[in-house]
Amino acid sequence: DAGVIQSPRHEVTEMGQEVTLRCKPISGHNSLFWYRQTMMRGLELLIYFNNNVPIDDSGMPEDRFSAKMPNASFSTLKIQPSEPRDSAVYFCASSPARELTEAFFGQGTRLTVV
Amino acid sequence: EDQVTQSPEALRLQEGESSSLNCSYTVSGLRGLFWYRQDPGKGPEFLFTLYSAGEEKEKERLKATLTKKESFLHITAPKPEDSATYLCAVHGQGAQKLVFGQGTRLTINP
Repeated sequence: DAGVIQSPRHEVTEMGQEVTLRCKPISGHNSLFWYRQTMMRGLELLIYFNNNVPIDDSGMPEDRFSAKMPNASFSTLKIQPSEPRDSAVYFCASSPARELTEAFFGQGTRLTVV
Repeated sequence: EDQVTQSPEALRLQEGESSSLNCSYTVSGLRGLFWYRQDPGKGPEFLFTLYSAGEEKEKERLKATLTKKESFLHITAPKPEDSATYLCAVHGQGAQKLVFGQGTRLTINP
């Protein structure tokens, strides 16, 4: 298995532009997580899906952020409009169980908003 | 609110010099404590899950232990390839999420 696949690996965009991050979870996993990592705040959970349904989006910082999971093999995290403070590494992770057992992380997308 | 504090922030050891990393936590009903390893430019890699005080798990040169207030990651006779950031996270009652600590950056010098 190729593991969790994220794209792009790096994204540089101008303030105000829309950014879409993509994630393909491990086949058969039914839980998917989006995290953001910064030096100041560490790893923060943004949103969590189970069986394609959003369960907890309390970590989504504001309305500029949205996430979708149209099917079991694909999820997107969109930021519109982007701001410099959104610059971070965004990780997608998947887990085989509804309960929070071990989660397998992707390589991350490094987002820079200038 | 669930909280995790890891210490030290950074640790530099000589190859073969054993030590321990600390993870202190406050949580309303622990459902699981997780240890991850993260290499630069990569996502966290799962190491262990501990569920109850007194539990221990081992993997190669690493051993994780758990009490009611903290967890330790013991590293025995480390090698340079053990250099990484080690992250601790907790899953508490009623919270469908992992709360991560800031991590300990471990460097093993040859």
